[in-house]
Amino acid sequence: GENVEQHPSTLSVQEGDSAVIKCTYSDSASNYFPWYKQELGKRPQLIIDIRSNVGEKKDQRIAVTLNKTAKHFSLHITETQPEDSAVYFCAASTRGGADGLTFGKGTHLIIQP
Amino acid sequence: DGGITQSPKYLFRKEGQNVTLSCEQNLNHDAMYWYRQDPGQGLRLIYYSQIVNDFQKGDIAEGYSVSREKKESFPLTVTSAQKNPTAFYLCASSIDGASATNEKLFFGSGTQLSVL
Repeated sequence: GENVEQHPSTLSVQEGDSAVIKCTYSDSASNYFPWYKQELGKRPQLIIDIRSNVGEKKDQRIAVTLNKTAKHFSLHITETQPEDSAVYFCAASTRGGADGLTFGKGTHLIIQP
Repeated sequence: DGGITQSPKYLFRKEGQNVTLSCEQNLNHDAMYWYRQDPGQGLRLIYYSQIVNDFQKGDIAEGYSVSREKKESFPLTVTSAQKNPTAFYLCASSIDGASATNEKLFFGSGTQLSVL
């Protein structure tokens, strides 16, 4: 089955700086790569996703890049703000996630004032 | 954030006891999922259902059972065979589990299960 590795487990950045979280996956058939944000005590929410036919996708301060050859994808957050503090999970799946997602173990992002 | 409701918020299980976690959605979604979240372990798929009266095992199905008798409901039973049940359980749904084009997951607020 699919295996997703996520790094780092904890990331601390100064407010206004950029943050990058990286994930690798094992199944070359995976074609859907979402990112979820979970604030303390709250449910995970989708923040951005990318399909395997696209190399990069951007939504305001958030961007995701995908390298199919190397089987890795990354989340980039620019101009970080205090409300970006949360745990971020990457995930991968075949069939667009219909059979469920395989998640990474999460990155705790801390924004230092 | 509304639309998918889990209950109870906290649940305690005694040794040898089966317990059932409730998940209800009014989003008219076809697909529903159960994930287990342990600290530092991410989310792991227990069971999923793409349509009423059908469900599939996920990565960690042992010691769990589910049913999908109604589109709106997908209860999870943690049986006595699950030896390490203490975890945070998240239910999720998506519009269409078969076409692979409506993949966004909507999560419930979770149930924390602890062993007495």
